[in-house]
Amino acid sequence: DTGVSQNPRHKITKRGQNVTFRCDPISEHNRLYWYRQTLGQGPEFLTYFQNEAQLEKSRLLSDRFSAERPKGSFSTLEIQRTEQGDSAMYLCASSAGQGSQPQHFGDGTRLSIL
Amino acid sequence: AQSVTQLGSHVSVSEGALVLLRCNYSSSVPPYLFWYVQYPNQGLQLLLKYTSAATLVKGINGFEAEFKKSETSFHLTKPSAHMSDAAEYFCAVSDSWGKLQFGAGTQVVVTP
Repeated sequence: DTGVSQNPRHKITKRGQNVTFRCDPISEHNRLYWYRQTLGQGPEFLTYFQNEAQLEKSRLLSDRFSAERPKGSFSTLEIQRTEQGDSAMYLCASSAGQGSQPQHFGDGTRLSIL
Repeated sequence: AQSVTQLGSHVSVSEGALVLLRCNYSSSVPPYLFWYVQYPNQGLQLLLKYTSAATLVKGINGFEAEFKKSETSFHLTKPSAHMSDAAEYFCAVSDSWGKLQFGAGTQVVVTP
């Protein structure tokens, strides 16, 4: 168990640019979740996958956001035409199935929009 | 819809004193409840979970939590605070699909 890995750890970009984050879950976990956390708040659910299927997307996930999990392994989260309000910590988590199973979190990618 | 309320955004405790963090939940079905801890610039680490077994749940680092259905509460306690307990703590409720709904968090400061 090598844990959930997220890259990059920090991303600084100008407003209007596109960014992509990567998450490598724990290898035997079939579920993968993305959350967004702003300063002083708890993480907010964005979307999740079971294997390669994206099963739910939050209303927080505007059309500028897209997530993929090809082959049910790693996942990417892309933000197009970034805005100031996108500045946040993006957290990825994985779990081994049902809601009773705890999620294991990566250390996140901190996005700063200039 | 599920929701979580954490009472107190900041808690200051003396080293060696009791730590008590309050969490109340709202859920239309029997909930799965979790406590996570977050250190600066890191992800969340699971402290403990309640999944309808014993109502008193023991976790890592000496923490425990008691599920009280009548009060819809899942408060976190530790008998004796240590300096290393300084961090932010999040209570969360999960639906059957595993989607977590977090509280706003409680920042714990431990004073010598």
